[in-house]
Amino acid sequence: GIQVEQSPPDLILQEGANSTLRCNFSDSVNNLQWFHQNPWGQLINLFYIPSGTKQNGRLSATTVATERYSLLYISSSQTTDSGVYFCAVGNTGGFKTIFGAGTRLFVKA
Amino acid sequence: KAGVTQTPRYLIKTRGQQVTLSCSPISGHRSVSWYQQTPGQGLQFLFEYFSETQRNKGNFPGRFSGRQFSNSRSEMNVSTLELGDSALYLCASSLQGSRYFGPGTRLTVT
Repeated sequence: GIQVEQSPPDLILQEGANSTLRCNFSDSVNNLQWFHQNPWGQLINLFYIPSGTKQNGRLSATTVATERYSLLYISSSQTTDSGVYFCAVGNTGGFKTIFGAGTRLFVKA
Repeated sequence: KAGVTQTPRYLIKTRGQQVTLSCSPISGHRSVSWYQQTPGQGLQFLFEYFSETQRNKGNFPGRFSGRQFSNSRSEMNVSTLELGDSALYLCASSLQGSRYFGPGTRLTVT
């Protein structure tokens, strides 16, 4: 099955800093999403981005499907950005979602 | 629109018992999927339903089962509970590929 690797596993930032999170996947996908899991366990949908680039405020994401990776950019980080960021992919016709292990982000005030 | 709702939010069960968790999708969403999250294994796919049909199943034993009703609401059942079934169980509804998650049910097996 598809393998999903996220890097880095852990990240500590000073408030105001920028960061890039990466998601590599091992096979073609027709579905890719980025989520933020808050301390209460809720998964917040950030981007649905099987290809191309999207931006939403301080966050943006780029997926290069042909090279099998996606990037999540966080600019001017805030303490409320802390949490775990997951990349999840789905393969064509499989109707199965595979999650990466996540990147745990801590933003210091 | 109301988001995905899951009930109950917290549950404590004893080994050997069974449990049923419920998920109500966002109105208009016909696809519902279930996931188990544990510290050791991360987020793992359990199964996905669309129009009352199971489209795919993850690598879980037969003790884990699910179903979807005609109104798209879904339930999952775990029989003969084991300590290792303690986890956060998340449900998602989806429309055109984008998944929206509920708050989860935290199950503790003692």
